[in-house]
Amino acid sequence: DIGLTQTPLSLSVTPGQPASISCKSSESLLNSDGKTHLYWYVQKPGQSPQLLIYQVSRRLSGVSERFSGSGSGTDFTLTISRVEAEDVGVYYCMQGFQETPWTFGQGTKVDI
Amino acid sequence: QVQLVQSGAEVKRPGASVRVSCKASGYDFTDFGIHWVRQAPGQGLEWMGWINIGKGNTKYSQKFQDRVTFTRDISATTAYLDVRSLRFEDTAVYYCARRILAGLTPWGQGTLVTVSS
Repeated sequence: DIGLTQTPLSLSVTPGQPASISCKSSESLLNSDGKTHLYWYVQKPGQSPQLLIYQVSRRLSGVSERFSGSGSGTDFTLTISRVEAEDVGVYYCMQGFQETPWTFGQGTKVDI
Repeated sequence: QVQLVQSGAEVKRPGASVRVSCKASGYDFTDFGIHWVRQAPGQGLEWMGWINIGKGNTKYSQKFQDRVTFTRDISATTAYLDVRSLRFEDTAVYYCARRILAGLTPWGQGTLVTVSS
């Protein structure tokens, strides 16, 4: 299975400051369709996960512009430009590469 | 609005089986797949597999393929997860999630399955 390694595993941020989370894949996630199926989810306390970013950098409709994704191949980053109190939660990267089993990163806990 | 509502919490003995249901509403049920993900207490997310609702074909994570079955009832717009031969380590919250081109969204509220003697 494709492994995803997130760093850091925990992040304490001052409101208004930026935050970045890295996600490194054990293999390239560039699909034969030319797309890279790397996603970012957040699980807020007591809630189900929710999708933030798909195909590396595309924000789901309704997701704040403070969230951005970048990267290619095996290295990806989620950036929160100005962290707010409501951003507290655990952030997961996930890959859905072709027909291989989908996998999640270990999760990065973000708190204020 | 698009919604997935899962069945309630279950407590099972080791060796028993459990069925978790996931009722979809607000969209054409047969247009999208349903994925299943579980989360052990205090742990991260673990992908279990998915079912193509329209065609009924399934794909399982190798870890679960011997003990897990995904099915669906199109008329009831409901997907099902069956887990057999439950072990203590199967204690977890089980989530269903709709697969769209952009990823898994929305997710159900989760179903806690507790395996206890």
